[in-house]
Parts: sequence; C-alpha cells; structure tokens
Amino acid sequence: ETGVTQSPTHLIKTRGQQVTLRCSSQSGHNTVSWYQQALGQGPQFIFQYYREEENGRGNFPPRFSGLQFPNYSSELNVNALELDDSALYLCASSLGIGTQYFGPGTRLTVL
Amino acid sequence: AQSVTQLDSQVPVFEEAPVELRCNYSSSVSVYLFWYVQYPNQGLQLLLKYLSGSTLVKGINGFEAEFNKSQTSFHLRKPSVHISDTAEYFCAVQGAQKLVFGQGTRLTINP
Repeated sequence: ETGVTQSPTHLIKTRGQQVTLRCSSQSGHNTVSWYQQALGQGPQFIFQYYREEENGRGNFPPRFSGLQFPNYSSELNVNALELDDSALYLCASSLGIGTQYFGPGTRLTVL
Repeated sequence: AQSVTQLDSQVPVFEEAPVELRCNYSSSVSVYLFWYVQYPNQGLQLLLKYLSGSTLVKGINGFEAEFNKSQTSFHLRKPSVHISDTAEYFCAVQGAQKLVFGQGTRLTINP
C-alpha cells in the first residue's frame, strides 16, 4: 500500500510569483485535504477535494486554488505569493470523511 | 464550530518517566478526536483516534488517550517515554470536512 506523497520537498519563490504543489493520495482514497502549517503553529485547513470537486474551504483567499484529478491526485496553486505564505503545506488523503493520513509536506519559502 | 486547546506548549520530562499531554475540545456535532505526532522536518503521523465505543484508546508507540465527555478532554498518556518520543504532538477534532488542530505540544525528553 502506497502512502501519501508530496512534491517538491522544498522550494523557494519570490513575492508575486505563482507556485504549484502536488500530492498523490494513498491507494483506495478518494478525498484530498490541504493544510497550511506556519512555523510554530498547528495546521490550518485550506480546502478539501472529493471526486474532483471542492468540498469545503477554510478561511483562505481565492488566490489559493486547487484541482483533483481522476486518479485522485491533487494540486494546490497559490498565486501572487506573499511573505506570509511561507509555511509547510500538508496534504492528507482519506476515504470520504474517514481518517486523514498525511504526506511529508512541502516547505515553501517566499522571499 | 469546533475548537481544540492544548494546555501546554512545552512539556519536558526525563527518559522513562510517565507523561500526559492535555487536550480540551469544543464541538457542536459528533465528536471524533485524534492525536498526531510530528517529528522534526516531517509530516503528521496518526498516533490514535477516538470515533466511538471504549473511552480508552490505545495507539502506536505505547501511547493511549482517554475520552472524557463531561470534561471535554482527550488527554494523551504514555507510562514511560523514550528519547525517540521527542516531537511535536497535535490534538485534533473532526469537523464537517476538516480537522481542527490545537497549537501543538512540544515534548522534550531529557536523558
């Protein structure tokens, strides 16, 4: 059974740029949730995708957007990057609203 | 709405001593509770979960937690800690789609 994977592991961007983060869900899972974890904080919910549709969104601006593909993998896109977007971005997969299993995360640094 | 309060931001203990990490929650819907562990520079790993049934839940690595509905608590315990337990621990409550996390408790094990 393959666990949740994320790419890239790290990346550095400058303010105003755009970034795409990727997540492959665990085998058998059809739901992907994205979280932002700022340094020293708990993860904050960005949004969730279920069967290729957005299925809930946290308190994040529209420049945070996502996609889910037919194989249930997912992308998180962030436009017009700001310094405060620097964080660890975590992807979690689940079967519907079942237990969420997390990937290793992508560390984004915005300069 | 759901919320989680982790009462201690840092807990230092000596190796082989017992430890308790405290978590209080608030939820207006059915209560599903989780503890996750985050080792340095890694994602979140599920330690244990309470969905229903017995209020004493056993997890991996010798951890257990007790659900107390009257006190709205879900404290994590281990009778004897090891150096390898050094990590950040997050308590979370399940919302409609999302997990709502506490701020985390940093467990430091001293030899």
